[in-house]
Amino acid sequence: DAGITQSPRHKVTETGTPVTLRCHQTENHRYMYWYRQDPGHGLRLIHYSYGVKDTDKGEVSDGYSVSRSKTEDFLLTLESATSSQTSVYFCATTGGGPSNTGELFFGEGSRLTVL
Amino acid sequence: AQSVSQHNHHVILSEAASLELGCNYSYGGTVNLFWYVQYPGQHLQLLLKYFSGDPLVKGIKGFEAEFIKSKFSFNLRKPSVQWSDTAEYFCAGDFNGDKLIFGTGTRLQVFP
Repeated sequence: DAGITQSPRHKVTETGTPVTLRCHQTENHRYMYWYRQDPGHGLRLIHYSYGVKDTDKGEVSDGYSVSRSKTEDFLLTLESATSSQTSVYFCATTGGGPSNTGELFFGEGSRLTVL
Repeated sequence: AQSVSQHNHHVILSEAASLELGCNYSYGGTVNLFWYVQYPGQHLQLLLKYFSGDPLVKGIKGFEAEFIKSKFSFNLRKPSVQWSDTAEYFCAGDFNGDKLIFGTGTRLQVFP
């Protein structure tokens, strides 16, 4: 398995508080992604990065921000968490983009509950 | 906008039955297509992928998928399922080379 670590794995927080999820990879992959998984919606792309300091929005980026200051770390921040952001968040990486490698490597997921 | 749709939300089969899960995409240009599987409590893993060439692609664990351009489809098949195939299956498309768009997933339950 690819070396992708997400932290925290589980978090319960209250509405209005800031939350940061971290994705750390040891594969030196260029591309990193944050998805959220919800019943009936599958996986939806929040933000992605195609290099250090290079990021772009996905399908459901409102209420989320990201940062990538070094290759191995990709942070997802909820500035003011809402109950609608209760979800399981997956980080994924790939070396050359989906077209080049054909495979995303996923982390174990972070389960976030916003009360 | 590009999209991927899976119309089978929940499929229940007995062991040895044949499987076909539907996947359709919406895009007029070149697309790369994938099937991922998520076993209970685990993260997603790649089953198979189609980039170009032979429209019938074979993946791991006896799965295959057929790309039919005229129908904008990429259905997943397996001739005989096993209890261990119980999982959620996701179809995904890469429409511009740098990100995957996933369908909503199909939950497969296989009973012995």
